Amino acid sequence: GAVVSQHPSRVICKSGTSVKIECRSLDFQATTMFWYRQFPKKSLMLMATSNEGSKATYEQGVEKDKFLINHASLTLSTLTVTSAHPEDSSFYICSASRDRYEQYFGPGTRLTVT
Amino acid sequence: EDKVVQSPLSLVVHEGDTVTLNCSYEVTNFRSLLWYKQEKKAPTFLFMLTSSGIEKKSGRLSSILDKKELFSILNITATQTGDSAVYLCAVEGNTGKLIFGQGTTLQVKP
Repeated sequence: GAVVSQHPSRVICKSGTSVKIECRSLDFQATTMFWYRQFPKKSLMLMATSNEGSKATYEQGVEKDKFLINHASLTLSTLTVTSAHPEDSSFYICSASRDRYEQYFGPGTRLTVT
Repeated sequence: EDKVVQSPLSLVVHEGDTVTLNCSYEVTNFRSLLWYKQEKKAPTFLFMLTSSGIEKKSGRLSSILDKKELFSILNITATQTGDSAVYLCAVEGNTGKLIFGQGTTLQVKP
């Protein structure tokens, strides 16, 4: 089966700092990667769609200058939360797709901004 | 606007009970409907449905799609405590993006 990893699994940072989260597809090439955010007891909210070698497409209401996404290769996408604030604390999950009908989810990253 | 609505939002049952979870949707250019189970971490895939009326089964779980009435159900028979989780329904439209419902939190008591 397809495996997607995320790193780190948990991060605590101070307000004003930036945090980078990596999403890797370990055994397949992902043409598209998706970044989701999940609040406590809420569903997954799609933040952006990332295609290798091109700019990410952000969902309405998601600040692209705050949540920087880079899809540098077919196996790696990164999400950088810039100038993090406590309200950015959340569970961030990536998924990777190798064809248009399947998405494989990473284990998620718990971000806490103090 | 595309949307996915799940019901109930939460459910408490006892081991051995059968549960039915509902998912209704309005999506432009429907491609597929997916069910996921989420415990502590990321969702794990259960089913993908693309055709009406064809039941998909995996052990005690089964699911079916009605594309005319725009809904799907997920059935779990003979529930066990290990079935306790959030069950997410997601629909894929023509853009390839998944639109998730709010989820149904299922608690199975011993």
